[in-house]
Amino acid sequence: DTAVSQTPKYLVTQMGNDKSIKCEQNLGHDTMYWYKQDSKKFLKIMFSYNNKELIINETVPNRFSPKSPDKAHLNLHINSLELGDSAVYFCASSRHAGGDYGYTFGSGTRLTVV
Amino acid sequence: AQSVTQPDIHITVSEGASLELRCNYSYGATPYLFWYVQSPGQGLQLLLKYFSGDTLVQGIKGFEAEFKRSQSSFNLRKPSVHWSDAAEYFCAVTVYNTDKLIFGTGTRLQVFP
Repeated sequence: DTAVSQTPKYLVTQMGNDKSIKCEQNLGHDTMYWYKQDSKKFLKIMFSYNNKELIINETVPNRFSPKSPDKAHLNLHINSLELGDSAVYFCASSRHAGGDYGYTFGSGTRLTVV
Repeated sequence: AQSVTQPDIHITVSEGASLELRCNYSYGATPYLFWYVQSPGQGLQLLLKYFSGDTLVQGIKGFEAEFKRSQSSFNLRKPSVHWSDAAEYFCAVTVYNTDKLIFGTGTRLQVFP
């Protein structure tokens, strides 16, 4: 049983397209996150949701829109994809917000924009 | 602002040798500290974490890390490295009530037979 699962694992698409990445956790955690890992392997938080409510929104272009239909799911929709969006996107979850529990990461979605 | 520094971009060791990966953080209060490992093409796996208490923390795969407040460090160690330990290692910090996990730039470990 995968604790935090992301789909798809790989995504290749053309510039200008709209795409979504899905994330689900079966840990019963309250908080979920999206992180972006760039080509130099640097990891940076994009968003976090606690019980379906947005609590962190870093400086991310508004072409990126997270959606949390329930606390077990956090999807990431990206409009008008650009070459610079190529990266690995990681979903993560935590028992609750606050940083004092720890984080479980998914295996990542490698997005390539051509 | 909190930050994490991993001074070594790339480390090469022989199998069976000991290993120490350095991590320094910048924050006034006691942070929550983590080490993650990322194998090629894989996700992030938690090796160990420090929240409070004993400053020497044991993790999975034979790794340990020591929190030294005076040096603002949280170095990762392993007494004898295996070829399967070759991967990218990330130190990370978060502070209570900020909920942002801030990563270092990573250290790539190569292991030679």
